Amino acid sequence: NAGVTQTPKFQVLKTGQSMTLQCAQDMNHEYMSWYRQDPGMGLRLIHYSVGAGITDQGEVPNGYNVSRSTTEDFPLRLLSAAPSQTSVYFCASSYSPTEAFFGQGTRLTVV
Amino acid sequence: AQSVTQLDSQVPVFEEAPVELRCNYSSSVSVYLFWYVQYPNQGLQLLLKYLSGSTLVKGINGFEAEFNKSQTSFHLRKPSVHISDTAEYFCAVRRTDSWGKFQFGAGTQVVVTP
Repeated sequence: NAGVTQTPKFQVLKTGQSMTLQCAQDMNHEYMSWYRQDPGMGLRLIHYSVGAGITDQGEVPNGYNVSRSTTEDFPLRLLSAAPSQTSVYFCASSYSPTEAFFGQGTRLTVV
Repeated sequence: AQSVTQLDSQVPVFEEAPVELRCNYSSSVSVYLFWYVQYPNQGLQLLLKYLSGSTLVKGINGFEAEFNKSQTSFHLRKPSVHISDTAEYFCAVRRTDSWGKFQFGAGTQVVVTP
């Protein structure tokens, strides 16, 4: 049981490049979400999904796209990276409001 | 909407001394309360959570927290810290009636020195 797996762990992008942060869970959880962590701001919700085919915006969605074609995967796409997107990104999955499982994070630097 | 305020951004503490991390929250609906720890360059690990019942919650690594409904607080304590407790600690709330988002506080950096 791998839990929540995020890839890559580290990434450096140039401004304007695109990339996809991968998130996969093997617990059959319906709810998945993406957060970004910035110093002094805690974690802020980017996008979330309550099941395959259903996604919605969180607190800071601009510059990010998501899709949920399967229960297991919830990729986060940066279409045109900007330095303001330098952050640590966490994916999480849940089966109830009382539980959440977080991935190990992806550290992204945009230069 | 919910909000979480962690009252200290950084807490220096000597090894074997007690520590308290303060968390206040506001919410118009019923919420669950959580404390997470993040060790350097690691992901988030659940320390403890309050769902219902006894207001004193015990977690891993000797941590405990007390839920105070009247003061809308959920302070985290440890009677004697170790060097290995150096980490960032996050308080978070989540609505009880949905799979809604976590609302996190800004975090408290605990630095334990010998």
